[in-house]
Amino acid sequence: EPEVTQTPSHQVTQMGQEVILRCVPISNHLYFYWYRQILGQKVEFLVSFYNNEISEKSEIFDDQFSVERPDGSNFTLKIRSTKLEDSAMYFCASRENGPFQPQETQYFGPGTRLLVL
Amino acid sequence: QQQVKQSPQSLIVQKGGISIINCAYENTAFDYFPWYQQFPGKGPALLIAIRPDVSEKKEGRFTISFNKSAKQFSLHIMDSQPGDSATYFCAASYTSGYSTLTFGKGTMLLVSP
Repeated sequence: EPEVTQTPSHQVTQMGQEVILRCVPISNHLYFYWYRQILGQKVEFLVSFYNNEISEKSEIFDDQFSVERPDGSNFTLKIRSTKLEDSAMYFCASRENGPFQPQETQYFGPGTRLLVL
Repeated sequence: QQQVKQSPQSLIVQKGGISIINCAYENTAFDYFPWYQQFPGKGPALLIAIRPDVSEKKEGRFTISFNKSAKQFSLHIMDSQPGDSATYFCAASYTSGYSTLTFGKGTMLLVSP
């Protein structure tokens, strides 16, 4: 069964450093998301991406964050200058159809655990 | 108005028992209500979902009950098994928007042998 993959599975970084989290969505999917989950808390939406541009972003997704689809398969989340509070599990998700269409299942990747020291 | 409230925070059920997790929402524009199951160290995986045109949906041992007037929906796990021990998240979104999922805070279910 097709699945969303994410790399790395774990990332440890120093405060102020840049990190790039990578995702490979399911190949025929069009709509991509990043969510995060701080330890023990609920999953929170960060950003959605469709047709090579951001569709929607949350208040969490400030100027320190950016997303990119550099080629036909990868979808990346960059945090420019990490803060302690960025420590969380980051999930990529994808779904087959685009926004404003009947909801289809969002498939989540296994996540990248980011620890900022 | 975007919140989804989930209860209980944790639940212990004996093997063979019924697990019930409840969620409530405020935004009447929501029209898609999935339940996700998450095992430690893994991403959430869709378990079952419902749209508000039906009051109940059953898939195997898992049933969603939906009460549109009360703006509530619940997950029932019949004949709960130790393998069902996981965190369960309810969520909601709406087709008229960007379909972002708004998650509840999660329920940690432990099914004792």
